[in-house]
Amino acid sequence: DAGVIQSPRHEVTEMGQEVTLRCKPISGHDYLFWYRQTMMRGLELLIYFNNNVPIDDSGMPEDRFSAKMPNASFSTLKIQPSEPRDSAVYFCASSLQRGGQETQYFGPGTRLLVL
Amino acid sequence: TQLLEQSPQFLSIQEGENLTVYCNSSSVFSSLQWYRQEPGEGPVLLVTVVTGGEVKKLKRLTFQFGDARKDSSLHITAAQPGDTGLYLCAGVPGNQFYFGTGTSLTVIP
Repeated sequence: DAGVIQSPRHEVTEMGQEVTLRCKPISGHDYLFWYRQTMMRGLELLIYFNNNVPIDDSGMPEDRFSAKMPNASFSTLKIQPSEPRDSAVYFCASSLQRGGQETQYFGPGTRLLVL
Repeated sequence: TQLLEQSPQFLSIQEGENLTVYCNSSSVFSSLQWYRQEPGEGPVLLVTVVTGGEVKKLKRLTFQFGDARKDSSLHITAAQPGDTGLYLCAGVPGNQFYFGTGTSLTVIP
């Protein structure tokens, strides 16, 4: 298996522009997670899906952020409009089950810089 | 306030030295995990500890879960440059999955 695939790997955009991050989870995994990592706040869970349904989006910072999972093999995280404080590394992860003993498999991340 | 506090935040040591990093919380966890993240990559799971007082070994890495299941430690013996990375603890104290603040380890050849 190729693992979790994310695109793009790097994104540089200007404030106010729309940004769309993409993720392909590992086939057969029922859970998909979106995280944001910054030096100041560490690794934060933004939202997670179970069988394509959003379960908990309490970590989404504000209405400018939205996430979708139209099918089992694809998810997007969209920021509109983007702001400089959104600059971070965004990770997608997937797992078979959810819980403290489950292995989450992370993608390589998307490094976002908003100017 | 972070639910899982890790210390030290940064650690730079010479190859061959031993080190211990800590993961502490005021909450009780049913289990704790340790991940390692190399530069430019996502975190990768190293181990899961489940039972209070449990000790697990992974080659030169020894993981311990506190008796009260509120803390954990990671000890590395004879560190090597390949151990360089960000070490993250993680757990589910209730209904949410949390990662710790991380310890950035650099092993100098």
